[in-house]
Amino acid sequence: DVKVTQSSRYLVKRTGEKVFLECVQDMDHENMFWYRQDPGLGLRLIYFSYDVKMKEKGDIPEGYSVSREKKERFSLILESASTNQTSMYLCASSYSGGWTGELFFGEGSRLTVL
Amino acid sequence: GENVEQHPSTLSVQEGDSAVIKCTYSDSASNYFPWYKQELGKGPQLIIDIRSNVGEKKDQRIAVTLNKTAKHFSLHITETQPEDSAVYFCAASISDNAGNMLTFGGGTRLMVKP
Repeated sequence: DVKVTQSSRYLVKRTGEKVFLECVQDMDHENMFWYRQDPGLGLRLIYFSYDVKMKEKGDIPEGYSVSREKKERFSLILESASTNQTSMYLCASSYSGGWTGELFFGEGSRLTVL
Repeated sequence: GENVEQHPSTLSVQEGDSAVIKCTYSDSASNYFPWYKQELGKGPQLIIDIRSNVGEKKDQRIAVTLNKTAKHFSLHITETQPEDSAVYFCAASISDNAGNMLTFGGGTRLMVKP
């Protein structure tokens, strides 16, 4: 069974702290993504990666960075957390071949910044 | 870039009734339209998708219709059951062999009352 695992389901951080969100997939997928989910706004793409050490900005990259040192692992970094980054963060992966590129999502990491 | 709007944001139906969720998109080049279902505490999961060369697709109690001229597509769920209660997201993309980048709608919270 395919699996995308996000290391933390719930985090509470203080303004200005550095935050790491980790994601691991076991499907040998080339593509990995970080989305942010807010009510009424759907899923908005922060960053994606189509290969090790490669990264591309999505629609809302400001205030975030990413790291992909291994194919199965994709990390989202908030260098200095702010209250407006309180949100649900979803990691996803997909196979780069084929037509659809179905996304496989993790269960999400709910971050609260105080 | 692509913009996807989804309506309604919330939908409450009685068990056994039908539910319809509608989405519009802006980029006429989009050719792939998936629907994702997100159950409470879980990540979104693909439930059905449609390509631009097809007008309708069915899978048991769910169906999706596409009107390329009007640039809108809809999800239809018949004989709703309590387990259909979830948040549903539509999405659109321009698909190619390198995979595709999805733009999501804002989501619809469907509540099926027993």
